[in-house]
Amino acid sequence: AQSVTQPDIHITVSEGASLELRCNYSYGATPYLFWYVQSPGQGLQLLLKYFSGDTLVQGIKGFEAEFKRSQSSFNLRKPSVHWSDAAEYFCAVGDNFGNEKLTFGTGTRLTIIP
Amino acid sequence: GAGVSQSPSNKVTEKGKDVELRCDPISGHTALYWYRQSLGQGLEFLIYFQGNSAPDKSGLPSDRFSAERTGGSVSTLTIQRTQQEDSAVYLCASSLAGLEGETQYFGPGTRLLVL
Repeated sequence: AQSVTQPDIHITVSEGASLELRCNYSYGATPYLFWYVQSPGQGLQLLLKYFSGDTLVQGIKGFEAEFKRSQSSFNLRKPSVHWSDAAEYFCAVGDNFGNEKLTFGTGTRLTIIP
Repeated sequence: GAGVSQSPSNKVTEKGKDVELRCDPISGHTALYWYRQSLGQGLEFLIYFQGNSAPDKSGLPSDRFSAERTGGSVSTLTIQRTQQEDSAVYLCASSLAGLEGETQYFGPGTRLLVL
């Protein structure tokens, strides 16, 4: 069965600093990979997704992620964080054998300090 | 356009009572998903509806949980004889056609507290 690991429960970053959130997946074939963000009291919003092709994916709000098959990773990056980026971030993997449900990681809470 | 809506936004109930949670997907979306977000378990898939096909119920944790989707649109998740461990945020999502890798759009969730 597919699984997703987000090893960092909580990360604190200074405003303007760069950010990298880690995500590792376990899946037997080429996965569909997603990053979602959840602000307090809000639903999940898609930041970006990877299907195939270019391994560097650009998303909304200045985020990008790189798919590395050799490392089974799909880390999320942003060159300069803003206070509004404080939220919880979830990595997810989608089954590509006709079962469209998503399997989520446990999430990483991002705190931004001035 | 309007996103996925869920009601109620918050629900407090007593152990043993039944609850119904409602989801209105984005208009025209044929696929609908229910997930549960709890402190101990993270985000878990519960059930998936796609058009007129039989739903994928593989994520429902017990037979106290059921869901239906009427007319291919609105969905209701019912929890019978609620238990304290059912306390969680229940999230609904919809996607256009339920295709592999398609973007799922999430509602704001229903926060359920079982006393």
